[in-house]
Amino acid sequence: QKEVEQNSGPLSVPEGAIASLNCTYSDRGSQSFFWYRQYSGKSPELIMSIYSNGDKEDGRFTAQLNKASQYVSLLIRDSQPSDSATYLCAVNLGGTGGFKTIFGAGTRLFVKA
Amino acid sequence: GAGVSQTPSNKVTEKGKYVELRCDPISGHTALYWYRQSLGQGPEFLIYFQGTGAADDSGLPNDRFFAVRPEGSVSTLKIQRTERGDSAVYLCASSRGTGGRETQYFGPGTRLLVL
Repeated sequence: QKEVEQNSGPLSVPEGAIASLNCTYSDRGSQSFFWYRQYSGKSPELIMSIYSNGDKEDGRFTAQLNKASQYVSLLIRDSQPSDSATYLCAVNLGGTGGFKTIFGAGTRLFVKA
Repeated sequence: GAGVSQTPSNKVTEKGKYVELRCDPISGHTALYWYRQSLGQGPEFLIYFQGTGAADDSGLPNDRFFAVRPEGSVSTLKIQRTERGDSAVYLCASSRGTGGRETQYFGPGTRLLVL
């Protein structure tokens, strides 16, 4: 069973703080990693993708990937109340897994004003 | 431009009935995915299509579930003999391809309630 594990949360941070979201995955053949944001009652929307070890920054968001540890994280700097949502980690299994994407259960983030 | 659309937005049915859920992907997107999301859970993979063919249907829970995409665009997810446990939000997504790095764009979902 290919698994993607996330801290269920909820994670609560004050406005302006850094929010750190973590994810581990079980399939070493996984090739692509994604972070989606999902507001309550809405569908997921992509905020970051990462394919290589290291950091990838986009505005206030930084994704970090460590394939040896099978670990991917998302940092949100200067957190805003509008960042309050569920953050889904998703892993694409690559060719050996039929390019299927597996999602974690999500971490709920609350940013307090 | 138009995003992924799904109809109906809500569906209430009785146990044992048959339902069809429709997904209209972004124009030109060759890949189409179906997921099921229960409360407090992430999207659960059901099936994805590359063109008209089902490239991977390993997530379909049992033979009551079936999906088609006859012309490589619109897809229909069909559920026979619905059970209360089928109640969930059914999400459709599409992408330009299936190379593993393609962004999936999600539709608004169909909320299915089986009474």
